[in-house]
Amino acid sequence: AQSVAQPEDQVNVAEGNPLTVKCTYSVSGNPYLFWYVQYPNRGLQFLLKYITGDNLVKGSYGFEAEFNKSQTSFHLKKPSALVSDSALYFCAVRDGGSQGNLIFGKGTKLSVKP
Amino acid sequence: GAGVSQSPSNKVTEKGKDVELRCDPISGHTALYWYRQRLGQGLEFLIYFQGNSAPDKSGLPSDRFSAERTGESVSTLTIQRTQQEDSAVYLCASSLGQGLNSPLHFGNGTRLTVT
Repeated sequence: AQSVAQPEDQVNVAEGNPLTVKCTYSVSGNPYLFWYVQYPNRGLQFLLKYITGDNLVKGSYGFEAEFNKSQTSFHLKKPSALVSDSALYFCAVRDGGSQGNLIFGKGTKLSVKP
Repeated sequence: GAGVSQSPSNKVTEKGKDVELRCDPISGHTALYWYRQRLGQGLEFLIYFQGNSAPDKSGLPSDRFSAERTGESVSTLTIQRTQQEDSAVYLCASSLGQGLNSPLHFGNGTRLTVT
């Protein structure tokens, strides 16, 4: 069975500092990994994905994520946080070896202070 | 519209009543998902439709919950005999579905309140 874990309920960062939101996963086949963001009172939006290829993937709004197979992780990063990045971030995984559904983590609330 | 549309946006119902939630996916998207998001919590998978295949119902929490989809279009999620713990935002998403790497496009959800 596939699963995904986001170990931090909340991450607090000062504006201009780098940010990291952690995600680890478990699948039996090759992982297809995604990050989504949910701004207050809005729907979820796709940020980026890893399917194959380079371990560092770049997405929307200056975000990037690094796939680490040995650590089964897919942490979300941004070199310089903005106050407007404050939102709820979800990591999701699908087992590439099956037609299975997309499983989401419980989410991490990112708070960026001026 | 170009996005996933859900209706109603808000629904208040009395305990014990049945409710129907509707989702209009993006045209051409073969895959459709329902998730539940309780206040302050993550997304809980409910059900997944992929083309004409049998749906994956493994996430439905009880037999009070059911969902249908007509072809590759509209889906309805029905909750019978609603309980207070059913209060949540119900999110629908669709994707092209032909490849497992297709991102999901989410609707804005239906906020269900059971009093």
